[in-house]
Parts: sequence; structure tokens; C-alpha cells
Amino acid sequence: ILNVEQSPQSLHVQEGDSTNFTCSFPSSNFYALHWYRWETAKSPEALFVMTLNGDEKKKGRISATLNTKEGYSYLYIKGSQPEDSATYLCAFCSNDYKLSFGAGTTVTVRA
Amino acid sequence: SQTIHQWPATLVQPVGSPLSLECTVEGTSNPNLYWYRQAAGRGLQLLFYSVGIGQISSEVPQNLSASRPQDRQFILSSKKLLLSDSGFYLCAWSLLPRVSHGYTFGSGTRLTVV
Repeated sequence: ILNVEQSPQSLHVQEGDSTNFTCSFPSSNFYALHWYRWETAKSPEALFVMTLNGDEKKKGRISATLNTKEGYSYLYIKGSQPEDSATYLCAFCSNDYKLSFGAGTTVTVRA
Repeated sequence: SQTIHQWPATLVQPVGSPLSLECTVEGTSNPNLYWYRQAAGRGLQLLFYSVGIGQISSEVPQNLSASRPQDRQFILSSKKLLLSDSGFYLCAWSLLPRVSHGYTFGSGTRLTVV
């Protein structure tokens, strides 16, 4: 079982504010790093899959960066909206193509 | 388009009873299939994965088993449920090595063993 850590466990953000949170993962046997958004009563939905050191991905107001050498990724939410409230999961994909998930960061955006 | 179906959505079962959760994928061939479980307050844990019919790999020792009788069907089973089997079970599929789109998850099953 690989150690994938996410912090903080939860955070509250005022609508309109920006925020970010961290995923740390093993720096060896790296194949890809996934980010998922998991809204209540729905299935986890893939946001980004990143494979290269220095990768930056963006989807609307959400973006992510990747540092494979030091084993961390940041997810950024710019100008948070209530619909951004969800649990954000990161998952480390090793060379055997299996995903190991972190416990998630639960984001609550207050109007 | 590809879809994944998982049922039932919720299940309450007594200790010692059998279990069968089913997952089917449409719109793709030879997918990799996965069963994950989220126990209370914890992240998703990989239970089983399958790269083809009849091919099952178990990630953690447990009271559960999995089978893949058809290319797009993945079943999670138990002969006798334990209280510790309670949790939220998710089925997922992916196509490898084309992982650029991530995994696609089913809607999940909330299992409560009483």
C-alpha cells in the first residue's frame, strides 16, 4: 500500500476567495498523478491526469501542478464558487498502472 | 459513449449473509476493471482489479472475492459478511496504457452490515 497524503483534510472557503491544497506521493515508480472531484451523491469525476514533471493543467477555474522529483502536486481553485464544494481526491499511479488514493480534501465554499 | 452501471445503490445485510454486487461497462472492450472500498473516514482502497476475463488480482487479504465472468462484467462477492465489510463500494474501469482520461467510476453501493 503506497503512502499518498493529502492536506488539509478539510477547508472552508468564502465565495470568491482562492484556495489550494496538497497531495504528496512516492517519488519512485511514478507513472501518473490523477485528480478527481467527488461531489456528494455522485461518482468521482476525473479532473486531471498528469504524467510529466513540471506539468500544469487547467480546467476553468481549477488548475494543478506536478513535481515528480519531490513527490507533490498542488490543486488550485481560483475565485471559489458554491458548486466547487466537493471532496478532491488525488491518486498516484505507479508503473504497474494501479492507483493509490489519498483520503481527500473536502472543500466547503460558503456563500 | 462508455457507461458504467453498478447496483444496488444501497444494501443492508445481516452478519453472516452472502453478498453479490454487480458492475457492468458498456461502450468499450477489454477494459481494466476495479473494485474500491471507502471505509468510514478513510480514502479509497483498491480491493481487486482485473485485466481480462477470469483474471483477478487481490490487493488486500479480506473476506471478499471478485469474479469476471464476461469481458464487461465484474462481480464482488462474499459467502458470509462481517461487520467490518460495511462501507462504500465503487466499481471503476480504465483503458490502459491510455490512462490520459483517468478512471471512470460507477455510482457506488452503500453496504451496511448489521
